Amino acid sequence: GDSVTQMEGPVTLSEEAFLTINCTYTATGYPSLFWYVQYPGEGLQLLLKATKADDKGSNKGFEATYRKETTSFHLEKGSVQVSDSAVYFCALSASNAGNMLTFGGGTRLMVKP
Amino acid sequence: SQTIHQWPATLVQPVGSPLSLECTVEGTSNPNLYWYRQAAGRGLQLLFYSVGIGQISSEVPQNLSASRPQDRQFILSSKKLLLSDSGFYLCAWSGGSYNEQFFGPGTRLTVL
Repeated sequence: GDSVTQMEGPVTLSEEAFLTINCTYTATGYPSLFWYVQYPGEGLQLLLKATKADDKGSNKGFEATYRKETTSFHLEKGSVQVSDSAVYFCALSASNAGNMLTFGGGTRLMVKP
Repeated sequence: SQTIHQWPATLVQPVGSPLSLECTVEGTSNPNLYWYRQAAGRGLQLLFYSVGIGQISSEVPQNLSASRPQDRQFILSSKKLLLSDSGFYLCAWSGGSYNEQFFGPGTRLTVL
């Protein structure tokens, strides 16, 4: 079946550091890929998405590129801020799975001033 | 634009008491609707999803149930809560071209 694997956290960085959160997936067909962010005590917000190979999703300084050859969708940001502290979820929607999403386990990011 | 509401925001209930959580969506029609549970520090567990009024699919066996009495209303219920039902309950909807889901603010349930 479909699956998403994320690096386990927590990831602790100093402000202005470079961020990478790894995400790899297994899916049949050509899935759409998403990153969601969850701030403390809140629901999930869609951060960015990519719907086909080599697409780059970007939002709020975050980027992720759909790499079909490595089945990866790593999240990156060049300079993190304290306000980026949150849990980040990678997810996929397989083309044959209707509107169902498969989520990774989430990665907690803590940014220290 | 579309918005999704959940209430209550927080709830503290004794073991064995009933439960009713409500989710409503505005600004869209015939959405797919989902209930997830998130235990403390854990990932998301899909509980139920619905593709239309009265159509409910359950992903895991449990003492919870879901209903969809109206197109944009999704209710999560229990007749008797267990301690293990504590968690953060999230409602979501989808209907976009790429199956992305949009989440509500969540309800934090504590069962004592």
